[in-house]
Amino acid sequence: KNQVEQSPQSLIILEGKNCTLQCNYTVSPFSNLRWYKQDTGRGPVSLTIMTFSENTKSNGRYTATLDADTKQSSLHITASQLSDSASYICVVSPNRDDKIIFGKGTRLHILP
Amino acid sequence: DVKVTQSSRYLVKRTGEKVFLECVQDMDHENMFWYRQDPGLGLRLIYFSYDVKMKEKGDIPEGYSVSREKKERFSLILESASTNQTSMYLCASSNERGRQFFGPGTRLTVL
Repeated sequence: KNQVEQSPQSLIILEGKNCTLQCNYTVSPFSNLRWYKQDTGRGPVSLTIMTFSENTKSNGRYTATLDADTKQSSLHITASQLSDSASYICVVSPNRDDKIIFGKGTRLHILP
Repeated sequence: DVKVTQSSRYLVKRTGEKVFLECVQDMDHENMFWYRQDPGLGLRLIYFSYDVKMKEKGDIPEGYSVSREKKERFSLILESASTNQTSMYLCASSNERGRQFFGPGTRLTVL
């Protein structure tokens, strides 16, 4: 069964620190993997998108990595800011059909 | 700038009422989606549509129906709202299997 699992479920760090969020998936083969940021009470916004042949993709202070062999992705946030407090959702699109699979998200809290 | 709009940010309805949630996108996308999001469960797909007048059931279609009369508009209908349909409802659109663009969400409370 295709699954996407994220860890940790929640994370608290101090402003200015770095952090890494994990995403493990069993979807195979897959078309692309995306990371979304969702602020409280708002819809998700795309941060990065990677195909199976890409290893890394950056968007400002956000860097996503992908290891297609181990079926793992990570989202690294550098020099965190208070505005980074949000849920981060990993999403995988299978090749076979258009039913994309969402992880349950990691809730990140940045403390001043 | 791409845009997906939803008719209401907050909505309170009574059990048994018929509820319409509307979603409009201005990107000429073929695909549109309705999700609900609940704590600890993440995003779950209710229905999606690949073309006008075309609809497909998602993972949790029970208690919902949809309508896509025009390309830019995708409506979610709760025929008889129940308390377990209290949730955050998110609409999204995409072109083919590309990136999904989400609306701001509608927080529905059914009393």
